[in-house]
Amino acid sequence: NAGVTQTPKFQVLKTGQSMTLQCAQDMNHNSMYWYRQDPGMGLRLIYYSASEGTTDKGEVPNGYNVSRLNKREFSLRLESAAPSQTSVYFCASSEQYNSPLHFGNGTRLTVT
Amino acid sequence: KNEVEQSPQNLTAQEGEFITINCSYSVGISALHWLQQHPGGGIVSLFMLSSGKKKHGRLIATINIQEKHSSLHITASHPRDSAVYICAVNFGNEKLTFGTGTRLTIIP
Repeated sequence: NAGVTQTPKFQVLKTGQSMTLQCAQDMNHNSMYWYRQDPGMGLRLIYYSASEGTTDKGEVPNGYNVSRLNKREFSLRLESAAPSQTSVYFCASSEQYNSPLHFGNGTRLTVT
Repeated sequence: KNEVEQSPQNLTAQEGEFITINCSYSVGISALHWLQQHPGGGIVSLFMLSSGKKKHGRLIATINIQEKHSSLHITASHPRDSAVYICAVNFGNEKLTFGTGTRLTIIP
């Protein structure tokens, strides 16, 4: 049982480059989330998907787009990376809102 | 504004000590989560609670709804408990608000 699988683990981008972070869960969860974690700050929600086919903005959505491809997969895209997007990104899932969260192992992204 | 505050920010203790980490929040909630983040970076959910008390092994989580306060206790602490402990609160929608974490170091 893999849980939440997130790729890649590390990535270095130059300013203006694009990339997609992939996330997949095998627990048949309805809700999926993308967070970023920065030093000295709590995890902040970028986007979430309460169910297949729906996505909504979180606290810090600017510069990102998401796709809930199917119930298993929720990807995060940076169209034109900026140094301010240097962070550790976590994907998470839960059976529904107000259920325990399951996290991926994180992606450490550096934008130079 | 919906806010979550944790204390202390850092805590160092000797192996075997009883540990308490606190979390306070500003308004009524539907649920509170305690998470553990190990030095490698992975995050694990420890507890989700909306009232009372939960226990798992040496870990105990309590919540007082009236006082808007939760505590995470670790009994007989061990160096492997060294991690960052994060409180997260659901204020009634899909979005969790996270505290900044408590870094716990247990010295052998």
